[in-house]
Amino acid sequence: NAGVTQTPKFRILKIGQSMTLQCTQDMNHNYMYWYRQDPGMGLKLIYYSVGAGITDKGEVPNGYNVSRSTTEDFPLRLELAAPSQTSVYFCASSYRTGYNEQFFGPGTRLTVL
Amino acid sequence: AQTVTQSQPEMSVQEAETVTLSCTYDTSESDYYLFWYKQPPSRQMILVIRQEAYKQQNATENRFSVNFQKAAKSFSLKISDSQLGDAAMYFCAYRSERTSYGGATNKLIFGTGTLLAVQP
Repeated sequence: NAGVTQTPKFRILKIGQSMTLQCTQDMNHNYMYWYRQDPGMGLKLIYYSVGAGITDKGEVPNGYNVSRSTTEDFPLRLELAAPSQTSVYFCASSYRTGYNEQFFGPGTRLTVL
Repeated sequence: AQTVTQSQPEMSVQEAETVTLSCTYDTSESDYYLFWYKQPPSRQMILVIRQEAYKQQNATENRFSVNFQKAAKSFSLKISDSQLGDAAMYFCAYRSERTSYGGATNKLIFGTGTLLAVQP
């Protein structure tokens, strides 16, 4: 059981470039989330999904897009990267019922120069 | 909107001693969950302890316990017999039980964190 995996671990982008952060979970969780963590700050929700084909905006969605075509995968797309998107990105997943504990991936450190 | 406040940016404790990390939150809801997450230098987010708002009894997990004061909207974390491996950033988080689109969203709202140093 790998849990939540994210690729890549590190990436440097130039301003205006695009990229996709990959997230996969093998726990058959309904819910998946993308957070960003800026230096010295807590995590802020970018987008979330309650199931395949259903996504919704979180607190800081501008500059990002998501899709959820399968239960396992929840990629995050950055279009036209900006320095303000320099951050550490975390993917998480949870069940729908019970404690709904969120399990986090190891994070992706993204730098936009 | 709900907010979570951690007023201690940094704390320090001697090995084997006890330390308490503070967290307050603001909400108008009556049903919710509260969590403490640990983030060591590896960046991995690790759940330490959780508390349901409807439970009066404070949660405990081995050396970790909470002091949940619902009326005061306070949720502090106590670490007993501190160990070097406890050194990390600790985040308090709130989760609403309010539903959206017919189901719970399970979204977490995080505080800004407390960096805990453990001195040998």
